[in-house]
Amino acid sequence: SQQGEEDPQALSIQEGENATMNCSYKTSINNLQWYRQNSGRGLVHLILIRSNEREKHSGRLRVTLDTSKKSSSLLITASRAADTASYFCATDARQGAQKLVFGQGTRLTINP
Amino acid sequence: DAGITQSPRHKVTETGTPVTLRCHQTENHRYMYWYRQDPGHGLRLIHYSYGVKDTDKGEVSDGYSVSRSKTEDFLLTLESATSSQTSVYFCAISGGEASSNYGYTFGSGTRLTVV
Repeated sequence: SQQGEEDPQALSIQEGENATMNCSYKTSINNLQWYRQNSGRGLVHLILIRSNEREKHSGRLRVTLDTSKKSSSLLITASRAADTASYFCATDARQGAQKLVFGQGTRLTINP
Repeated sequence: DAGITQSPRHKVTETGTPVTLRCHQTENHRYMYWYRQDPGHGLRLIHYSYGVKDTDKGEVSDGYSVSRSKTEDFLLTLESATSSQTSVYFCAISGGEASSNYGYTFGSGTRLTVV
């Protein structure tokens, strides 16, 4: 079963707007990661947030983590057409060997 | 993707035949993973390896076996392919433990069709 559940499943916005995607998970985690997948390609790691962190930034990306609610959000500011992709959250719930469990993803479309 | 390659990129095979997919890395990373991606299911872990000859099962391991005889190569074998194994298969590598800052690096995927 999937650990992470993304919401919404699909999102369509205009270029320049901000995009927010949410992820909920079920068990305690060591860290939570976000990935991007362009059509027909492999996933690309975007950002990792540890369980003791609440917010992290990387360029136009902002990730928040609320461990009490078992949820995370990914905000992409000033969206561009090149941001069109699927975005996945993944959780690492184990000590030792890293073993990520992925959600089903949010399909983001940026309209010019 | 830099440092990790999958082969073949595409394969069509018949039901009941064995199939082996290869993942090769040049990063000397300890951890390697095989996932499958299907519509409505996201990515699901098949098997993973935490060192040479050290492997473990993932969420959907039935019908699959793996081998890792060298750090750089992780092979996924479908022992007797079935139509339900039609999927896109991704290999990933990671250099870190759970407490590290490492994310995964993914290969470009193998699209497998079982007819």
